[in-house]
Amino acid sequence: AQKITQTQPGMFVQEKEAVTLDCTYDTSDQSYGLFWYKQPSSGEMIFLIYQGSYDEQNATEGRYSLNFQKARKSANLVISASQLGDSAMYFCAMASAGGTSYGKLTFGQGTILTVHP
Amino acid sequence: EAGVAQSPRYKIIEKRQSVAFWCNPISGHATLYWYQQILGQGPKLLIQFQNNGVVDDSQLPKDRFSAERLKGVDSTLKIQPAKLEDSAVYLCASSLVRTLHEQFFGPGTRLTVL
Repeated sequence: AQKITQTQPGMFVQEKEAVTLDCTYDTSDQSYGLFWYKQPSSGEMIFLIYQGSYDEQNATEGRYSLNFQKARKSANLVISASQLGDSAMYFCAMASAGGTSYGKLTFGQGTILTVHP
Repeated sequence: EAGVAQSPRYKIIEKRQSVAFWCNPISGHATLYWYQQILGQGPKLLIQFQNNGVVDDSQLPKDRFSAERLKGVDSTLKIQPAKLEDSAVYLCASSLVRTLHEQFFGPGTRLTVL
C-alpha cells in the first residue's frame, strides 16, 4: 500500500520569499510518479509538477521545483518568489504502478500555505 | 481544449435521499476516476474506469454507491441512500490512458447531507 505524509498542516511565507512544503512517501513499487497539486478555496485541483521515480533530475515548472530524494523517500515542493495568489491548500500525491491500482492517486493530508504581503 | 466537466456544482439533500453526479471527461481520455474529498482531507479514490470497464472499485462503498460509464465517455456516480458522512466534494478526473502522469480534475460537486 502507498502512503503520503505531509507533516506541515500550515505554512506562512512573506511575499517574494521562497518556501518549501514537505512530503514523504512510502511504497514498495519500483515505478511510481509523484505529484503536487494546488487547491484554492474555489475547490479545483490544479496540477503543478510531476516527478517520475526513474527521473534523475529534479523536476521544475516555472517557480515550482520538486526536490526529489529517492533514498529518503521525500518529494518536497519548493515555491520561489511567492505571490499572494499562491495562498491555497497544497497536496502531495503518488501514482502507483502496481496491478489494478495502476494510475491511482494517493494523496497526503495537505498543507495550507498563506502568503503575507 | 475543454476541461473535465461536472454537474451539479452543489447539492444539498437529506439523509436517506438519493443523489447522482455527472462527469464528462476530456475528449479522448480513456481513463476516468471518481474521488471523494472529505473536508480537511486529501481526495480518496472511489472508482477507476478504463473505457467503460471498472478497473478498481475497492474503496467504493458498494452497499450505497454505484457508478457507471456506459459508452466509455461520460460517467454517473450515485449514492442511495445518502448518509451524513457522505458530505464531501466529489471530484472527477481523467487521463489519456492509465498513466503515472497527470490526471486532469473537474471542478467537483460539493454534497451536503442534512
